Amino acid sequence: DTGVSQNPRHKITKRGQNVTFRCDPISEHNRLYWYRQTLGQGPEFLTYFQNEAQLEKSRLLSDRFSAERPKGSFSTLEIQRTEQGDSAMYLCASSSGRFNSPLHFGNGTRLTVT
Amino acid sequence: AQTVTQSQPEMSVQEAETVTLSCTYDTSESDYYLFWYKQPPSRQMILVIRQEAYKQQNATENRFSVNFQKAAKSFSLKISDSQLGDAAMYFCALGGGAQKLVFGQGTRLTINP
Repeated sequence: DTGVSQNPRHKITKRGQNVTFRCDPISEHNRLYWYRQTLGQGPEFLTYFQNEAQLEKSRLLSDRFSAERPKGSFSTLEIQRTEQGDSAMYLCASSSGRFNSPLHFGNGTRLTVT
Repeated sequence: AQTVTQSQPEMSVQEAETVTLSCTYDTSESDYYLFWYKQPPSRQMILVIRQEAYKQQNATENRFSVNFQKAAKSFSLKISDSQLGDAAMYFCALGGGAQKLVFGQGTRLTINP
């Protein structure tokens, strides 16, 4: 088991373009989370999945953002019509789903919108 | 709503000394848990230590220990015998029934050789 994997590590895009990020969680984990982190701040919750079901979405997740976990394994986060304010580190985490079990984070995808 | 506050944006300590990072939180849930995470410059968040709210005993992991004051809603992290590899951003995080963690703003810890 290699931990949580995120791709790409870095993404530079022009304003108005669409981007998609991928997250592969730890294989036996049924919960998967997406967070956004801006420079010098703590991670902010975006959304999470239990298997393939998306159970909660933050108000931070505007209509331009969509996340999927089609088979309860990997997940994708798509941002449509990117804006400069979307520039951030996007973190994925997974957990076993047991109460008080920690989140295991990936290395993140750094998005820069020019 | 759950909130986590870290009032120390930056801290520094001499190598081999002890440092304490502060965290206060607020929650209406009776059953919750707390974590400290470390984020080195490579950016991957790493779990340092966890504490269940129902446990009165403070958690300890080698050189890392917490001072959990439930009534005061305080959860500080003590790092003993600081090492250069401890330099990182440290985040306090609060979790509850949904297991969705709420993070503080972080404290940047610098270790002076």
